[in-house]
Order: sequence, then structure tokens, then C-alpha cells
Amino acid sequence: GIQVEQSPPDLILQEGANSTLRCNFSDSVNNLQWFHQNPWGQLINLFYIPSGTKQNGRLSATTVATERYSLLYISSSQTTDSGVYFCAVLNMEYGNKLVFGAGTILRVKS
Amino acid sequence: NAGVTQTPKFQVLKTGQSMTLQCAQDMNHEYMSWYRQDPGMGLRLIHYSVGAGITDQGEVPNGYNVSRSTTEDFPLRLLSAAPSQTSVYFCASRRWGQKHSGANVLTFGAGSRLTVL
Repeated sequence: GIQVEQSPPDLILQEGANSTLRCNFSDSVNNLQWFHQNPWGQLINLFYIPSGTKQNGRLSATTVATERYSLLYISSSQTTDSGVYFCAVLNMEYGNKLVFGAGTILRVKS
Repeated sequence: NAGVTQTPKFQVLKTGQSMTLQCAQDMNHEYMSWYRQDPGMGLRLIHYSVGAGITDQGEVPNGYNVSRSTTEDFPLRLLSAAPSQTSVYFCASRRWGQKHSGANVLTFGAGSRLTVL
């Protein structure tokens, strides 16, 4: 099946700093999503981005499908950005399975 | 509009006991799925369904059964619980069949924490 690798596994930021999270995948994808899991365990979709660039406030994401990676940018980080960020991908040739990476744990300190 | 509702939120079982995790969605989503989350391993797909009467296996299906008799409900059954099934379980749903649509995003329930002693 398709493999998903996220980096870095762990990141500590000072409030106000910027960061880039990376998601590499092993095959072409029909669907790619970024999620944030807050410290209470709730999983929220951030972006649906199988290709191209999207922005939502301080967050933006870019997927370069031909090179099999996606980037999530967090600017002017806030303590509420803390949590785990997951990338998930789907390639229909492997079945209708959205496969998750292991995640990046982000801690933003005030 | 409640979204995806999971019950129970917490459960403790003894090895060999059976139980059912309930999942219901009110968004008329065709696709429903169950994931388990374990430390350092992200979320792994257990089973999924693309409509009533249709189910399929995910990455880690052993020890779990599912059925889909209605569009709204997708219960996950543990027939004989084992300590290896201690985990946090998430149900998620989305629209199905819209290949390049933002409606394809996955909506998660709040999770169910299961401990098997």
C-alpha cells in the first residue's frame, strides 16, 4: 500500500515563530488531507489539498503531487496551535483507504 | 447537526469479553470508517464502508467485525477483547464519489478510549 512519512516527528516553537511540516508519500494520490489533533484528542480537518496551494488564516498548505510531498506552513504560531498534525492520503488503486502518517507533535511555548 | 457521534467515550473490558462501539452520523455521508490510534503510530484503518450493505477491510481488521445496515450507523464489534486492542478508537465519515471535491473531507467523532485488562 501507499506509505506516508511526516517530518519532523517533534517540534517545539516559541510563540510567534513560523514552522513548516512536511508529508512525503510513496505513490500518486487522489486525496490528501491535513488534520490537527488538539490536546483533548479532537481531530479537525485543516485542508483538503491533493494538489496546489491553499490558505486559511495563519495556516497554508502546498501539495506538489508530481514530487509526492505536501507542506503545511504555520505562521505566527500561538499556544493553541499545539497538538499533533497528521497528513492522510488516498490512492484509489489501493482501495478506498485514507492512510495516515505518524504525525508531527507540535508544542508552542508562551 | 450533531456530525459524528460515538459511544461510549470510555470503556474497560476484561480479556475475552465482547462489546460494540457505536457510531452514528447525520450528514448523509456514504462513506464511514473506523480507525484506532496508538502512541507513535498515527491512525490505522480497521474497516470502512461506502454504503449500506457494503464493508471492506482496512489495514488492521483482525479481531473486529462491522456491519452497515443503514446509512447513518456503523458499529464496530469486538467479539473477544484482547489487551492488544487497548487503544483510542475513532469513527469518521465523508461524502463518497466526489473525487475532486472539498466535500471529500473526513469528519471525525470525539473518540472512544478502550482499555482491555
